[in-house]
Order: sequence, then structure tokens, then C-alpha cells
Amino acid sequence: EVRLVESGGGLVKPGGSLRLSCVVSGFTLGDHTMHWVRQAPGKGLEWVSSISSRGNYIYATASLKGRFTVSRDNANNSLYLDMHSLRDDDTARYFCARHGWGTTLDFWGQGALVTVSS
Amino acid sequence: ETILTQSPGTLSVSPGERVTLSCRASERISNDFVAWFQQKPGHPPRLLIYGASSRATGIPDRFSASGSVTDFTLTISAMQPEDVAVYYCHQYGSAVNTFGQGTRLEIK
Repeated sequence: EVRLVESGGGLVKPGGSLRLSCVVSGFTLGDHTMHWVRQAPGKGLEWVSSISSRGNYIYATASLKGRFTVSRDNANNSLYLDMHSLRDDDTARYFCARHGWGTTLDFWGQGALVTVSS
Repeated sequence: ETILTQSPGTLSVSPGERVTLSCRASERISNDFVAWFQQKPGHPPRLLIYGASSRATGIPDRFSASGSVTDFTLTISAMQPEDVAVYYCHQYGSAVNTFGQGTRLEIK
């Protein structure tokens, strides 16, 4: 069974940093591009970033202006999102998702809630 | 970044009624790499359609989709109560992916 489990969310002050993790099971992480998608409370989905299977290609939405960095450790079945200079509008649930072969975001985690507030 | 505009914002339909949701892109989507997701409250999105028209595994055949270039459509042939959700289109034809703002589908 394919599973993705995010962790590391919580309350952080504006300007602070946080690292989210996504541990996967049921498939070989190194075979897939992975994505982060976020959803602010009551709002729509926003694509955040992706990282290719070996980590050599990384893309991110321009609105983040380089504050977030995605990385991966295939040997430990883990995906990461390092978030810096956090702002109130970064408050959201952050999902990791697998890019399936020939499809797109075919499996998702339940998400990790990040709240940025003073 | 490619902007996806979904319409309508909210749609209320009767059980058994045919539903058509629209997604328009601000520029051509490479390889028609458009997907549709269904999201119910408290749950992550569920992949319905990829490649503009291919149903994902386990998706009922009342869901279908079509389109190309900049205009894409998701159709539900006969609305069921369990189809109440928010539907999002997603383009993955460019390295920087984007989502539409969503269409809320309600039942009368």
C-alpha cells in the first residue's frame, strides 16, 4: 500500500523557519518525482515545488522568492521542505504528493498544518 | 506561470443531472498535460483525470474529460450525492505547475 506521511508542522512566529518531512512507503521513492502542494485555510490548492527522482531538477513557484527549498533522501524514503522567512500568508496545510509514471499527482499524504502567527 | 481559470465558481445541480466544469489556461498547455482533482472536506485531493482525458485508477466512468491547447472540460454524466466536492484543474505541462482556483459542486 502506498503511503505518504507528513510531519514537522506546527506554530511558528513570522520570520521563523520550519522543516517539513514526508516519509513514504509502499513504493520506491527514487523512482518518482515528488511535489509539495499547500492549501491555506478555506482556500484552494497552490502548487509549491517539485524535485526530480534523483534531486537534480528542482522547480518552485515564483511567489515563494526562494524562501522554500525542497530536498530528498531516497535511501531513507524521505522528502523535505525547508521553509524560511515565514510569513502569515504561509499558513496552510502542506501536502506531499507523488508524481506517478505517465500520470501526475496520483498519491497524496494527509498534510501537515503550518501556522505562522505571533 | 500558466494561469488556470475555472468556471463556474460554484454550481448547484440536481441528482442525475449532467455537470460540465470548465478550465481555461492563459497559454497553451504542453502535451495537454491537464489533470482534474476532486477534494472533499478534510481530505487530500483525489486524482480523477490525467492527460486531459484519461481516467485514473478506480474512477467511475461517469467522470470524463476532454480538451486541448487552452480549453479543458470535466463532465459528470449523472450527478451523484457523493460527487459533492470542490474540483480543481491542474497543469503539469510546464516545469512550474499550477492549479485552477476550483469549482464548488453542490447538490440541490
